[in-house]
Amino acid sequence: QSALTQPASVSGSPGQSITISCTGTSSDVGSYNLVSWYQQHPGKAPKLMIYEGSKRPSGVSNRFSGSKSGNTASLTISGLQAEDEADYYCCSYAGSSPNWVFGGGTKLTVL
Amino acid sequence: QVQLVQSGAEVKKPGASVKVSCKASGYTFTGYYMHWVRQAPGQGLEWMGRINPNSGGTNYAQKFQGRVTMTRDTSISTAYMELSRLRSDDTAVYYCARVKYGDFYFDLWGRGTLVTVSS
Repeated sequence: QSALTQPASVSGSPGQSITISCTGTSSDVGSYNLVSWYQQHPGKAPKLMIYEGSKRPSGVSNRFSGSKSGNTASLTISGLQAEDEADYYCCSYAGSSPNWVFGGGTKLTVL
Repeated sequence: QVQLVQSGAEVKKPGASVKVSCKASGYTFTGYYMHWVRQAPGQGLEWMGRINPNSGGTNYAQKFQGRVTMTRDTSISTAYMELSRLRSDDTAVYYCARVKYGDFYFDLWGRGTLVTVSS
């Protein structure tokens, strides 16, 4: 199972919006509405930000939103803040066995 | 509070085995799968497998089949991940993370355990 494809880095200024893409295949992202997104600050454990494609856990800012089209999922962060600077990972359930697959991660820089 | 507490860092020689523990507290241990995810230095996340604490049933990623063993002790709400025949590229932070039965996302993570494999 290959990793999902994410851009290595994205950047934006405070107050702007950015979108991180996550491209998989018809065996994972395309087959299930089960993409989740995680935020990871340096030296810390990942934190769940979005689940089942577009749902936010309690306590996560509504500046974070998720969507999916075909084999590509996306995470959008609006109103960028300095504290959003972190690595972001997408993850999809991939069926067969069962199996989960992660993206390679995207480093978000807030300029 | 609800948390997963992992065991401390380990240094192992190539060919050895390592066993990492993950103690759950603040919730019903048998109500959630426990998954293991690793992250090599400067790299992304990699799913290793999961255990059903209720039944002890396991599912492993193909890459780790034959080298990983996941177990649990329900009396102390602790899950274990043992990786054998260690290689230098097994150097990584190993995380435990829970998934509620019927869900497919990791809603609680441990802080991670650094395993260094070096001669």
